[in-house]
Amino acid sequence: ETGVTQTPRHLVMGMTNKKSLKCEQHLGHNAMYWYKQSAKKPLELMFVYNFKEQTENNSVPSRFSPECPNSSHLFLHLHTLQPEDSALYLCASSQFVGGTTDTQYFGPGTRLTVL
Amino acid sequence: AQKITQTQPGMFVQEKEAVTLDCTYDTSDPSYGLFWYKQPSSGEMIFLIYQGSYDQQNATEGRYSLNFQKARKSANLVISASQLGDSAMYFCAMRESPGAGSYQLTFGKGTKLSVIP
Repeated sequence: ETGVTQTPRHLVMGMTNKKSLKCEQHLGHNAMYWYKQSAKKPLELMFVYNFKEQTENNSVPSRFSPECPNSSHLFLHLHTLQPEDSALYLCASSQFVGGTTDTQYFGPGTRLTVL
Repeated sequence: AQKITQTQPGMFVQEKEAVTLDCTYDTSDPSYGLFWYKQPSSGEMIFLIYQGSYDQQNATEGRYSLNFQKARKSANLVISASQLGDSAMYFCAMRESPGAGSYQLTFGKGTKLSVIP
């Protein structure tokens, strides 16, 4: 595997379900990110992890719970979601958080549908 | 106010022709970075090109070049010799220095490019 991988690629869940999204980066980076991309809206940053520590939470509802056990893996735990949470969830990684040159590399995304 | 503005929701270009995708940005920070990403229908955001605010020359990467006009705060992406595989959404993004706020990469709303055979 190379780059940033995400599983599953597609997920359909009911509002009472609990599921998790997984992201893994094979680039030796130290920072990882979760983004949400809804139809007709700009990409929204959700969470930032730098060296496994959460450095940013952009007022994300508590029904989204991130976990970063090491610099290569990032999870997004989902529970009691709402239909408006249906979106493409993108994971990204970068060498480190900070500096204007730091380039983020993205995974293929998980397309989530909440029924 | 929007930090990144992409005024072209959709564009068409003939195969093998060049195309320019517009991007203007708003920042008071003297140090910033500008990025372009491509998003095919599969969903993955693919990094294309980077331009730093202090870079003297326009960035180039293969068929991609960035027309950076600092005084006008514009960072247009030029794709030369368009190919059918270039059909995708294109996003302009900016990262300001940490001193100006968070480390966020701010994205525009994107331009959908369609290459016509």
